[in-house]
Amino acid sequence: GENVEQHPSTLSVQEGDSAVIKCTYSDSASNYFPWYKQELGKRPQLIIDIRSNVGEKKDQRIAVTLNKTAKHFSLHITETQPEDSAVYFCAASKATGNQFYFGTGTSLTVIP
Amino acid sequence: EAGVAQSPRYKIIEKRQSVAFWCNPISGHATLYWYQQILGQGPKLLIQFQNNGVVDDSQLPKDRFSAERLKGVDSTLKIQPAKLEDSAVYLCASSIGTGELFFGEGSRLTVL
Repeated sequence: GENVEQHPSTLSVQEGDSAVIKCTYSDSASNYFPWYKQELGKRPQLIIDIRSNVGEKKDQRIAVTLNKTAKHFSLHITETQPEDSAVYFCAASKATGNQFYFGTGTSLTVIP
Repeated sequence: EAGVAQSPRYKIIEKRQSVAFWCNPISGHATLYWYQQILGQGPKLLIQFQNNGVVDDSQLPKDRFSAERLKGVDSTLKIQPAKLEDSAVYLCASSIGTGELFFGEGSRLTVL
């Protein structure tokens, strides 16, 4: 099966700085890579995703990049704000079977 | 649009007792997932249904966990007998089958 690794496990940044979270995956057949944000005690919610036919995707302060050759993808948050503080999970999925495999999570703290 | 509904939100039981969790997915979502999220870890897939058939239950501890999705809509996840290490949040998610997972609020289980 798929193995998704995520780094770092914790990340603290000053408000206004950028944050980068990295994930690697093992199965070259994976072709869909979502990122979920989970605030304390709440459900994970999709914040951005990317498919394997695209190298980069942006949505306001959030961007995701994908390197299929190296099998890694990254989440970039610019101009961080205190409300960005949460746990972020990456995931990898294949179209066949639609199974999702999650990373271990990154706890992001934005210091005001 | 109504989201994924789960109940109960919280459950405390003693080891060797049994517990059941219920999930109602978003209307029209054929794929339903049960994930186990242990504190500080990413969601781990327990079982995936496509309509009322099982797609993947390779990580379900079948000696104590069971799940069903009768009629291809609601689903129940049962643990019997529970162990201390089963303490976790049990997340139900649904998908239309081609992308985003929608999560419920989760059912937090504490086994004493």
